[in-house]
Amino acid sequence: EAQVTQNPRYLITVTGKKLTVTCSQNMNHEYMSWYRQDPGLGLRQIYYSMNVEVTDKGDVPEGYKVSRKEKRNFPLILESPSPNQTSLYFCASSPNYNTYGELFFGEGSRLTVL
Amino acid sequence: GDSVTQMEGPVTLSEEAFLTINCTYTATGYPSLFWYVQYPGEGLQLLLKATKADDKGSNKGFEATYRKETTSFHLEKGSVQVSDSAVYFCALALIQGAQKLVFGQGTRLTINP
Repeated sequence: EAQVTQNPRYLITVTGKKLTVTCSQNMNHEYMSWYRQDPGLGLRQIYYSMNVEVTDKGDVPEGYKVSRKEKRNFPLILESPSPNQTSLYFCASSPNYNTYGELFFGEGSRLTVL
Repeated sequence: GDSVTQMEGPVTLSEEAFLTINCTYTATGYPSLFWYVQYPGEGLQLLLKATKADDKGSNKGFEATYRKETTSFHLEKGSVQVSDSAVYFCALALIQGAQKLVFGQGTRLTINP
């Protein structure tokens, strides 16, 4: 089954404790992206990647890092989480950068930073 | 900057009612337009899209027409079902420029039997 898999789905952590949210897709997609969803704000892009070893900032990259060493994986790293990073995070992928509007989304990772 | 504005929610309708969710956009270029749907506890799914003016996107009984003159992409369905209860997001993607979707804030739809 074609899917985007995120882990963990739920996480409660404390300020400053580094964490990684993994994202993996099995569709051989070139384009991957991370979004955060906050009430009243819709979804905002954090980072995106057009292919292996090619990443770029979205609208709200502060406090986040990403890497794209393999085509299927695009982890989101919070080096020192803060309470304002409490949010619902979505990883998404698309066949290539020309189709980046047609995204396949994971089920989301709800992060709470205390 | 580029932006999408959706009608305020939540919207509550009875089963078989007619649905309209308004969406207008502001863009510097010529965007493609999308509607995504998010069912409870799930990620977003692409519902329909339109890539140029006067295009009509349709899927699962939902329709939306790309109106360049009014910069709108309103979502419609003639007869809603309880299973249509979800959050609906309008979004735009620019043909050139930043590789991102710009989303509206979402409209929560509840259909009562």
